[in-house]
Amino acid sequence: DTGVSQNPRHKITKRGQNVTFRCDPISEHNRLYWYRQTLGQGPEFLTYFQNEAQLEKSRLLSDRFSAERPKGSFSTLEIQRTEQGDSAMYLCASSSHPGRSTDTQYFGPGTRLTVL
Amino acid sequence: QKEVEQDPGPLSVPEGAIVSLNCTYSNSAFQYFMWYRQYSRKGPELLMYTYSSGNKEDGRFTAQVDKSSKYISLFIRDSQPSDSATYLCAMNWPHGGQNFVFGPGTRLSVLP
Repeated sequence: DTGVSQNPRHKITKRGQNVTFRCDPISEHNRLYWYRQTLGQGPEFLTYFQNEAQLEKSRLLSDRFSAERPKGSFSTLEIQRTEQGDSAMYLCASSSHPGRSTDTQYFGPGTRLTVL
Repeated sequence: QKEVEQDPGPLSVPEGAIVSLNCTYSNSAFQYFMWYRQYSRKGPELLMYTYSSGNKEDGRFTAQVDKSSKYISLFIRDSQPSDSATYLCAMNWPHGGQNFVFGPGTRLSVLP
């Protein structure tokens, strides 16, 4: 399977702990996105990378959140000092087609975070 | 008012029925429209992608965009129990970066 993969699939943590999620995009895709999805809602955009450059961040991405894509391949999303409101599904997506202003995005299975 | 709205459902239909799913939006700058299917506890899966107004057909699925009414639709013909999922619309605008705006999704159940 050469789709987008995410690890771990589930994470349970206590409030105040730090957590890190990993996303491996489709290998030829140069764009990578992070979204957050809560129950009964659509995905909400968090941030976007083109290659290793983080080009866009949502105001939803507080100072406790940081994302990296050091070599333009996999990406990590870290949440520091987790709060119960951080409980959600964290989705990663990737896309290609350089030169187009909008791409179709392909999603991974998500990491479900529960903060106790 | 949210930027993109969908009836959350649940929508229950018998197998074989034609299903109509809809989204309304407020931002007239949106030009790119997508439909995703999301099974429980899975990531969204792209179904259809359209640019500007018009219709697009792919197998049992037809996407329609009416920009004058700010209204998009997804039709599913000969619905199957395996179509039971949440359907999300998403949209973007030229030079709007990569910030796709999603609707909250409509939960569909196709009953055998």
